[in-house]
Amino acid sequence: QVQLVQSGAEVKKPGASVKVSCKASGYTFTSYDINWVRQATGQGLEWMGWMNPNSGNTGYAQKFQGRVTMTRNTSISTAYMELSSLRSEDTAVYYCAVVAGTASFSWFDPWGQGTLVTVSS
Amino acid sequence: QSVLTQPPSVSGAPGQRVTISCTGSSSNIGAGYDVHWYQQLPGTAPKLLIYGNSNRPSGVPDRFSGSKSGTSASLAITGLQAEDEADYYCQSYDSSLSGSRVFGTGTKVTVL
Repeated sequence: QVQLVQSGAEVKKPGASVKVSCKASGYTFTSYDINWVRQATGQGLEWMGWMNPNSGNTGYAQKFQGRVTMTRNTSISTAYMELSSLRSEDTAVYYCAVVAGTASFSWFDPWGQGTLVTVSS
Repeated sequence: QSVLTQPPSVSGAPGQRVTISCTGSSSNIGAGYDVHWYQQLPGTAPKLLIYGNSNRPSGVPDRFSGSKSGTSASLAITGLQAEDEADYYCQSYDSSLSGSRVFGTGTKVTVL
């Protein structure tokens, strides 16, 4: 079955960077976009951006432009999301998700289990 | 900041029907983009519940149904059960934010 397994929880200091991994299995990794979504404690879902694992093309939400980088390693079917210049407001659970459907009519299924990133001095 | 608005909470007794609204604008739902719904049980990742406005993935009970009209969409849960207590989010695409997927503000469903 299609499955996404994310890396473990991270604790970072303000100003540092964090890189979260998302390993895919059960399907051809390069066939579907991967998106990243985050959720602060007790808050709603916030879309961060997308990556096409085949081409490496990316698109980021305006809020994260300049601070987020999404990459992949096709040899190990793994996507990465790196967020830099961390601040306390970036403390959240970060999810990766496979995109199904086409372009602007697409949805997320399935999701990874989430990675808690805590930013604290 | 979410561009799709949902009620913060809805509640119902077991067996009752509840509905959750998702209100957007002319750049997202009103522009014809599909609405999708996710269920998030406490402490878990979101799970796809409805895609393409009204389609249920395999394994989702037919107690869940979705609809869309104009600039809004709705999720209905009939025959409410205790295990339906969760957070629910709508999601669509917004043409005013290049390439941007957008989520609703989220609704907590409480089974009384």
